Amino acid sequence: NAGVTQTPKFQVLKTGQSMTLQCAQDMNHNSMYWYRQDPGMGLRLIYYSASEGTTDKGEVPNGYNVSRLNKREFSLRLESAAPSQTSVYFCASDNTYEQYFGPGTRLTVT
Amino acid sequence: GENVEQHPSTLSVQEGDSAVIKCTYSDSASNYFPWYKQELGKRPQLIIDIRSNVGEKKDQRIAVTLNKTAKHFSLHITETQPEDSAVYFCAASGDGYGNKLVFGAGTILRVKS
Repeated sequence: NAGVTQTPKFQVLKTGQSMTLQCAQDMNHNSMYWYRQDPGMGLRLIYYSASEGTTDKGEVPNGYNVSRLNKREFSLRLESAAPSQTSVYFCASDNTYEQYFGPGTRLTVT
Repeated sequence: GENVEQHPSTLSVQEGDSAVIKCTYSDSASNYFPWYKQELGKRPQLIIDIRSNVGEKKDQRIAVTLNKTAKHFSLHITETQPEDSAVYFCAASGDGYGNKLVFGAGTILRVKS
């Protein structure tokens, strides 16, 4: 089992560029999540998907969109990147309680 | 919505001493409280969790206590070792299936040998 995988590991964007962060899990989990982690602020929920076909906003959704492509995959899109979106992005999944995290994507927007 | 506060932000202890990290939450409907450990450059990993129907849970050197009346919960690590050095996050969720976790800001634990 690979668990939760994310691509890419690192990315540098210029302001205004767009990109999609990919996430996949092979644990047959129903729920998937996208978080961002900034120094001194813990992990903040951007969007989540409780099951295939559904998505909902989390605490900090502005500037992001998501797609639950199928049960395995949940992508996060930045349509027009801004320096404030410089962060480490984690994808996670669960079926009941324990959330399993991916390795993270370090994104820098210049 | 839920708000989770975590203290202290940094904690230094001598190897073999105990460490205690405290969190408070605001939503009385929250019923699931996990603790995650994150080593430098790595992903967060669950180390222990507690649900609202119990007051204490222990796993070897790690224990968590929950006071629902006061809306606070704590992580206790005994006999600390250098490999316990990491960032620890508490979280709270009002959804019975752990959805929409709200995290505290984290505690940097340094264990000095």
